[in-house]
Amino acid sequence: LAKTTQPISMDSYEGQEVNITCSHNNIATNDYITWYQQFPSQGPRFIIQGYKTKVTNEVASLFIPADRKSSTLSLPRVSLSDTAVYYCLVGFRRAGSYQLTFGKGTKLSVIP
Amino acid sequence: DAGVIQSPRHEVTEMGQEVTLRCKPISGHDYLFWYRQTMMRGLELLIYFNNNVPIDDSGMPEDRFSAKMPNASFSTLKIQPSEPRDSAVYFCASSLEGGSVGNTEAFFGQGTRLTVV
Repeated sequence: LAKTTQPISMDSYEGQEVNITCSHNNIATNDYITWYQQFPSQGPRFIIQGYKTKVTNEVASLFIPADRKSSTLSLPRVSLSDTAVYYCLVGFRRAGSYQLTFGKGTKLSVIP
Repeated sequence: DAGVIQSPRHEVTEMGQEVTLRCKPISGHDYLFWYRQTMMRGLELLIYFNNNVPIDDSGMPEDRFSAKMPNASFSTLKIQPSEPRDSAVYFCASSLEGGSVGNTEAFFGQGTRLTVV
């Protein structure tokens, strides 16, 4: 399984763009990169997933360089409600097989 | 759909007692996962099922832990006997088989906070 490394914590002011980078040096050809968000006393919630280049949805963007050894989650104009733990996962799903392991996560604190 | 439903939300039990955690996945989902979360170890995958069949239980810590999925709408995680070091939040999650290959979007329940005293 590919191992991920991400910062333990980050602080940001409201309205700023936040970029959280995850390293996954031994990512395999089959692996996708997925980010989850977790609030206190809740289960993780899917944010975004990508395989290469750039992916954007209504809440975030995911940038993946050509070598795929790292990825960056970008949260535009964060608000206080974005204070949470963000997890980078590397894994894949095929019929009958599912590799999905969470790392330690990055605790994002948004400051007013 | 109400999402993944776990019960109970909180459980306090004495060491040595049997504990059963319950999960109802989202209807139509083919995969079901049990995770454990602690401050020290983060989120750990314990076991997962595909179409009610256990696929990988390598994360189950000891023989004291067992999981079953008798049908597509129900799963249990049992600890017998329980120990204080089992205290954690246990999450159940479910996911669809369909969709793009590689899709790993899982939907999590609210979790069960277990305290063993």
